[in-house]
Amino acid sequence: QKEVEQNSGPLSVPEGAIASLNCTYSDRGSQSFFWYRQYSGKSPELIMSIYSNGDQEDGRFTAQLNKASQYVSLLIRDSQPSDSATYLCAARGSNSGYSTLTFGKGTMLLVSP
Amino acid sequence: NAGVTQTPKFQVLKTGQSMTLQCAQDMNHNSMYWYRQDPGMGLRLIYYSASEGTTDKGEVPNGYNVSRLNKREFSLRLESAAPSQTSVYFCASSDLGGYGYTFGSGTRLTVV
Repeated sequence: QKEVEQNSGPLSVPEGAIASLNCTYSDRGSQSFFWYRQYSGKSPELIMSIYSNGDQEDGRFTAQLNKASQYVSLLIRDSQPSDSATYLCAARGSNSGYSTLTFGKGTMLLVSP
Repeated sequence: NAGVTQTPKFQVLKTGQSMTLQCAQDMNHNSMYWYRQDPGMGLRLIYYSASEGTTDKGEVPNGYNVSRLNKREFSLRLESAAPSQTSVYFCASSDLGGYGYTFGSGTRLTVV
């Protein structure tokens, strides 16, 4: 069974620090990875996608992928209290053609002022 | 642009009652999904529809049925609700490749 693992947290960082969120996946054939942010009581919102080894940057967010280690991470620079949320990692399966996403259980991030 | 719209937002059912959760998207997406989210369990896929006219079981399909009414609409039916189905239900849609899901605002369902 395909699994995506995340530490549940909470991960606590002070305002202005770098928050580092990590994720591992079991399906070695997974090709695409996504980070979603979910505020309490709200629906998940896509914030980053990464498809190849290395870094993908968008503003304060950087996603990192290492397929050899089956490891995905999300760095949030200059963390703000508004970044406090649960972050979900998701992997797209390896089947050719259509595939669904498998989600991790999420890591709660708390940014203190 | 509404995106993905779910109704209702909240619902309380008695054990054994039935209900249908509605989902509609206006992004011309081919694929639609129903997930449930429970504390400590994350998002679990109930059913999905890769394209209009097809539906498939996900990880936790027991106790549910779905209908892909047309390209825009995908409904989830609970025929005989059980307390174990108390959860937050999310509908999502994506392009045919299954990349970058867009989620609806969710339905919080309580079965007593």
